[in-house]
Amino acid sequence: NAGVTQTPKFQVLKTGQSMTLQCAQDMNHNSMYWYRQDPGMGLRLIYYSASEGTTDKGEVPNGYNVSRLNKREFSLRLESAAPSQTSVYFCASSDIGRGFNEQFFGPGTRLTVL
Amino acid sequence: ILNVEQSPQSLHVQEGDSTNFTCSFPSSNFYALHWYRWETAKSPEALFVMTLNGDEKKKGRISATLNTKEGYSYLYIKGSQPEDSATYLCAFNTDKLIFGTGTRLQVFP
Repeated sequence: NAGVTQTPKFQVLKTGQSMTLQCAQDMNHNSMYWYRQDPGMGLRLIYYSASEGTTDKGEVPNGYNVSRLNKREFSLRLESAAPSQTSVYFCASSDIGRGFNEQFFGPGTRLTVL
Repeated sequence: ILNVEQSPQSLHVQEGDSTNFTCSFPSSNFYALHWYRWETAKSPEALFVMTLNGDEKKKGRISATLNTKEGYSYLYIKGSQPEDSATYLCAFNTDKLIFGTGTRLQVFP
């Protein structure tokens, strides 16, 4: 099992460019999450999908959109990148959206917006 | 806004020292508290999920306790080793996880 995979691992964008971060999990989990990690801020939830076909905003959703393509895949899109979106992005999945099941994280995508 | 605080922010210890750090969280509407270990350039990995007041979990030299009435959890590492160097995150479980900012531990040989 690969667990949670993310592509790309690194990306540099210019202000105003768009891109999509891909995430896939092979653990048959219902719930998937996108976080960003900034120095001194911990992990902050951008969007999550409690189950296939549903998505909800997290703490910092502005400037992002998501698509739960199917049970395995959850993508994060930046329509018009801004320097404030320079961060490390982590995708995670868990067995159920509500409950105390642990989340499994992907390796992260390091994004720089110039 | 729910606040999850961890202290200290960072910690430097010598190999063999025992250490502990704290996670504080809202004491009302408690559901679960998670501890994660996060090594540099890797992704967070779950250590413990704690659900009951007075809960104590152990994995090797690492253990954690939980006090839901006063809203805190302690993580202990006995006889720290250089490979324990990592950031330790706690997360308060509502319908999502609210993460603290972590305690960065460095263990020197």
